[in-house]
Amino acid sequence: AQSVTQLDSQVPVFEEAPVELRCNYSSSVSVYLFWYVQYPNQGLQLLLKYLSGSTLVESINGFEAEFNKSQTSFHLRKPSVHISDTAEYFCAVIDTMEYGNKLVFGAGTILRVKS
Amino acid sequence: DAGITQSPRHKVTETGTPVTLRCHQTENHRYMYWYRQDPGHGLRLIHYSYGVKDTDKGEVSDGYSVSRSKTEDFLLTLESATSSQTSVYFCAAAGTGLTGELFFGEGSRLTVL
Repeated sequence: AQSVTQLDSQVPVFEEAPVELRCNYSSSVSVYLFWYVQYPNQGLQLLLKYLSGSTLVESINGFEAEFNKSQTSFHLRKPSVHISDTAEYFCAVIDTMEYGNKLVFGAGTILRVKS
Repeated sequence: DAGITQSPRHKVTETGTPVTLRCHQTENHRYMYWYRQDPGHGLRLIHYSYGVKDTDKGEVSDGYSVSRSKTEDFLLTLESATSSQTSVYFCAAAGTGLTGELFFGEGSRLTVL
């Protein structure tokens, strides 16, 4: 079964500073990776995904993640964060079940952006 | 708007009572999922559905049952609620196999006293 590990439960950072949220996945022949974001009292929203092709994927709001097969990592980065980026971020991987696929989530990383 | 609504959004109940959470989608997605979210555990899959009347267990299915009689509705039932089932429950839906996007509802917060 696939799994992901998010190495930090909370990451505090000042506004306009860079940030990296770390995610490692269990090795597999093929892997599809995702980052989801959850703002307070809301459901999860897709931030970005890696399915194949370029190992660097970007979101519309300035986040990027790099698929690194040798290190089995999919870290999320942003060069300059805003207060509005305060949220919980989940790394996820597709796992195959008998009748379809499911997303397996990491434990989440709370990003707290301070002014 | 992802077209997924959950009801009720908040519920407080007592141990031993039955509880049903409803998920309704308007986008004709084939796959639907129920997850629970607990601090330090992320989201864990309870049950999922791959079509009308087709459901299967996830990793934390004990104490839960589901039903899907129509494409748009996916019900989660706790037959006899326990305090360990206090959690936030999320419904999600996807069209084809999750290589696309998984759409989430806004969650149902359940407290079992």
